[in-house]
Formats: sequence, structure tokens, C-alpha cells
Amino acid sequence: AQSVTQLGSHVSVSEGALVLLRCNYSSSVPPYLFWYVQYPNQGLQLLLKYTTGATLVKGINGFEAEFKKSETSFHLTKPSAHMSDAAEYFCAVRADSNYQLIWGAGTKLIIKP
Amino acid sequence: KAGVTQTPRYLIKTRGQQVTLSCSPISGHRSVSWYQQTPGQGLQFLFEYFSETQRNKGNFPGRFSGRQFSNSRSEMNVSTLELGDSALYLCASSPTIGANYEQYFGPGTRLTVT
Repeated sequence: AQSVTQLGSHVSVSEGALVLLRCNYSSSVPPYLFWYVQYPNQGLQLLLKYTTGATLVKGINGFEAEFKKSETSFHLTKPSAHMSDAAEYFCAVRADSNYQLIWGAGTKLIIKP
Repeated sequence: KAGVTQTPRYLIKTRGQQVTLSCSPISGHRSVSWYQQTPGQGLQFLFEYFSETQRNKGNFPGRFSGRQFSNSRSEMNVSTLELGDSALYLCASSPTIGANYEQYFGPGTRLTVT
């Protein structure tokens, strides 16, 4: 069965520091992978997605993620954290049986001033 | 384009009652999916509708049901509410079904069951 694992339910970084949120997936077929962000009391907003082609994917708000098939990873990075990045981030893989999203448990990003 | 809208945003119900939540997708989108989000279980897929037909269903009891209208608007209904049904219910729309299309989410309906 397909699954998504996000390492660390909470990640704390200083403003201006590198942001690294980890996501590992399991899939028997080439995956479609997504990162979404959720701000308090709001729905989910797509940050970026990987379908095929270039393994380094750039998204909104300065985020990017790299698909590494050999490591079954799709980690999210941002070179310099901003206070407005504080939110919960979800990694998801598209299920190959019904195309629905299978979600990781989420990582809360905390930005220290 | 207007985004996905969900009504109501907040709802308080009593155990045993039933509730109907509404979702209006982005104009032109024909696929609507519903998710339940709770602190304990995270995000879980409820069902997907496309062209007024339920295409996929998650592992939820029959108390959870839904439908889609000809204008792609969707409703979900939960009957005989239980305390554990307290959650944020998210609706997402997509232009069509298929693996390549991202889903656009509404703000959610926060349901509290007392």
C-alpha cells in the first residue's frame, strides 16, 4: 500500500535560516507528489507538485522540492525562513488506484525571531 | 476566478443529529473530493464526485454520504452524529479526474459535535 511519512511533527528554525521538511513515500509506480501548506483556520494551499520530468520542482513563496527516486524522498526546502512561513506543511502522494491523495501526518513549522 | 467555497464555516451540532455541508467548486471544475481532518487521524479521504456520480469512496461508515449536482456543487451529509465526527471537513475541486490534476481546497467547515 502507498504511504507517506513526514519526519518530525514539529520543526523549529530561526528566521533567515534554511528550512528543510522531510517527506518519504512508498509507491509501486512512478509517483505524483505534492506539498501543501495550511495556515491556521484555513484550507490547504498547493505549494508545488512533481509529476514527471525535472526532479527539482520550484513552488510558490520560494519553496522547492527535489524528487529522489533512489531515496524515495521528496523533501521541501527554502533557503531563508520568514516569519510568514509559520504554518503546517503536508506531503501527499497520489494513490495509483483511485487518484486520491494519501497524506503525511503533517509538520508544523515554527519560526523563531 | 473565485476559489472553492464551503458553507457554513462553523457548525455546532448535538450527538444524534444530522448535518449537511455544502461545497461550490471553482468555476469549470467538475471533480469534487471531500476530506476529514482531525488531530488524531490527520487528513482522510471521504469520497469523490465527478459528473454527479460518486467515483471513489474512502473507509468511512455509511452515515457519511454525499451527492453532486449538475452544476458541480456538492453536498455531504452525516447522519446520527457522534462525538468523533468533530473535525474540519475540507472540500477540494479539480478540473477533472486523473492523477495529473492538483486539487484546490476550500477553507473547510469546522464541525463540533457536543
